[in-house]
Amino acid sequence: NAGVTQTPKFRVLKTGQSMTLLCAQDMNHEYMYWYRQDPGMGLRLIHYSVGEGTTAKGEVPDGYNVSRLKKQNFLLGLESAAPSQTSVYFCASSYSNLKQIGDNNEQFFGPGTRLTVL
Amino acid sequence: AQSVTQLGSHVSVSEGALVLLRCNYSSSVPPYLFWYVQYPNQGLQLLLKYTTGATLVKGINGFEAEFKKSETSFHLTKPSAHMSDAAEYFCAVRTYGKYGNKLVFGAGTILRVKS
Repeated sequence: NAGVTQTPKFRVLKTGQSMTLLCAQDMNHEYMYWYRQDPGMGLRLIHYSVGEGTTAKGEVPDGYNVSRLKKQNFLLGLESAAPSQTSVYFCASSYSNLKQIGDNNEQFFGPGTRLTVL
Repeated sequence: AQSVTQLGSHVSVSEGALVLLRCNYSSSVPPYLFWYVQYPNQGLQLLLKYTTGATLVKGINGFEAEFKKSETSFHLTKPSAHMSDAAEYFCAVRTYGKYGNKLVFGAGTILRVKS
């Protein structure tokens, strides 16, 4: 199993350009997440999905859109990139997100995408 | 709302010394707590987690953490630091939202190990 993969690994954009980050998982996980990581701020949740065809906003959703057309893929889009979106983006997935005693809530992370917006 | 505070953005220890990374949480419900490690240029890897049961949790690479409800803490320890432990460590607490559960992360602590 490849686990969680992300493409691309690196990208440089100019202000106003658009791009899509792809996350794929082969663990048949229901739940997927997009985070951004900035120095001194930990990981902040952008959007997440609790199943194919569903998405929800996280802490910092502005300027991003997502889609979950297939269970194994979770796409993060930037329609008009801004320098404030320069960051490292991580995708994660988990098997169960239910509020149940003993459920396995571990999130598995991809290797990250380093994005620079000039 | 649940939140996490990690005390100390940088911790430096000598090889062989005790590692102590501090995490305090805020939660209105019994918390599920996690420690993740991030090696340079890599994603996050789960070290250990507390859900229910035993309050002393053992993880990978010799790390352990103790859940102390009275102190709202979940500090990470390792008796003897190794050079390979140099990394950034994140504490996280599970939150409960309308569309499912999420993790809230602390700001992270960078561990340096001196030879």
